[in-house]
Amino acid sequence: TQLLEQSPQFLSIQEGENLTVYCNSSSVFSSLQWYRQEPGEGPVLLVTVVTGGEVKKLKRLTFQFGDARKDSSLHITAAQPGDTGLYLCAGAGTGGFKTIFGAGTRLFVKA
Amino acid sequence: DVKVTQSSRYLVKRTGEKVFLECVQDMDHENMFWYRQDPGLGLRLIYFSYDVKMKEKGDIPEGYSVSREKKERFSLILESASTNQTSMYLCASRQGHREAFFGQGTRLTVV
Repeated sequence: TQLLEQSPQFLSIQEGENLTVYCNSSSVFSSLQWYRQEPGEGPVLLVTVVTGGEVKKLKRLTFQFGDARKDSSLHITAAQPGDTGLYLCAGAGTGGFKTIFGAGTRLFVKA
Repeated sequence: DVKVTQSSRYLVKRTGEKVFLECVQDMDHENMFWYRQDPGLGLRLIYFSYDVKMKEKGDIPEGYSVSREKKERFSLILESASTNQTSMYLCASRQGHREAFFGQGTRLTVV
C-alpha cells in the first residue's frame, strides 16, 4: 500500500519565520503535487514536481522533489498570515486510478 | 483554467433523506472522484469514475452511490442520509495520472 506521511502535522509560527514541511514515502511516485486548502474551501493546486531532484519556486515557496522520487519538501521563506492553511501533498498511485494524499500540515502564521 | 464546480456550498438535510451532490468539470477529464474530509482523518475516497457509466468503489463506499451519465458530470448520492455522513464533500477531476483539480467543497450537515 502506498502511503504519504507528512510532517509536522501542525505548525504555529510568527510572521517572518521560515518553515519546511515534509512529505515522505517508501514508494516511488511518478509525480507529486502540493495543495493549499483554506477553511471551508477545496484544495487548490500549488505545484506539480515530476523529475527527481527537481526544484520549483512559487514566490516565497520552494518545492523540492527527492532524487529517488519518494519524498518532497515545501519551504516557505518569511511566512505571512496569508500563508495560513492546510498544506497537502499528493501523488498518483501506481497501477491504478487513485491519488494518494498525505494527512496534511496545518500551518498557522501569527501576525 | 480548470473549473470544477459543485452544486452547493452548504446543505442541511434530515436523517433518512435522499441527498444528491452534483459536480461538473469543464476540462474533458476522464477521471472524476468524490472524497469526504473529516478532521483528523484527512481525505478519504468514496467513489471514482474513469469513464462515462463506469464507477469504482473507493475506500469508504458504504452508504453512497454515484452516477456518471455524461463525461463532465459526476453525482454522489446518499441513499438515506445519516448523521455520521455529516462532512465536507470534495469532488475532483483528473486527466490520466496527472494532478487532480478540486471543486470548492460541499459542507453537508445531516440532522
